[in-house]
Amino acid sequence: AQSVAQPEDQVNVAEGNPLTVKCTYSVSGNPYLFWYVQYPNRGLQFLLKYITGDNLVKGSYGFEAEFNKSQTSFHLKKPSALVSDSALYFCAVRASNTGGFKTIFGAGTRLFVKA
Amino acid sequence: DAGVTQSPTHLIKTRGQQVTLRCSPKSGHDTVSWYQQALGQGPQFIFQYYEEEERQRGNFPDRFSGHQFPNYSSELNVNALLLGDSALYLCASSLGGVSGQPQHFGDGTRLSIL
Repeated sequence: AQSVAQPEDQVNVAEGNPLTVKCTYSVSGNPYLFWYVQYPNRGLQFLLKYITGDNLVKGSYGFEAEFNKSQTSFHLKKPSALVSDSALYFCAVRASNTGGFKTIFGAGTRLFVKA
Repeated sequence: DAGVTQSPTHLIKTRGQQVTLRCSPKSGHDTVSWYQQALGQGPQFIFQYYEEEERQRGNFPDRFSGHQFPNYSSELNVNALLLGDSALYLCASSLGGVSGQPQHFGDGTRLSIL
């Protein structure tokens, strides 16, 4: 069965400092991995994805994520946080070997960037 | 380029009633997925529609049903509403024939059950 774990309910970081939001996953076969961001009273916005290839993927707004197959992790990173990055972040996984229909989301991590 | 649109934005119902939520996918998309997001939780997959058929279903009872129309828009129907059905219902669209594509989400319908 597919699952996603985001071990931190909240991450606090000062503006200008690097940030990391952690994600580990479990899936049969090769995973498709995604990060989404949600602002208050809005739907989810796509940030980046890993399908295959280079383990370091770059996405929107300066975010990047590193795929680590041995640790089954896909942590979200940004070199320098902005106050406007404060939001709810979701990691998601989809199994590629079942046609990729069902996407499983983590419980979310709230990022708070302090000025 | 219109994104995913959902209606209504808010809805209040009482236990036992039935509700229909609507979704129009992003232009060019042919696949619609529905999710339930309870307060403080991540979205939970309800089901996905492609070519007017339910392609996959999550762990939701038969009270939850859906439909996809020839123009790719979709409806989510929930019968015999329970207090626990109170949540944000999200619709997401994508290109069904292409693996690994991200989903585009609407802003959701917030359903409150009294």
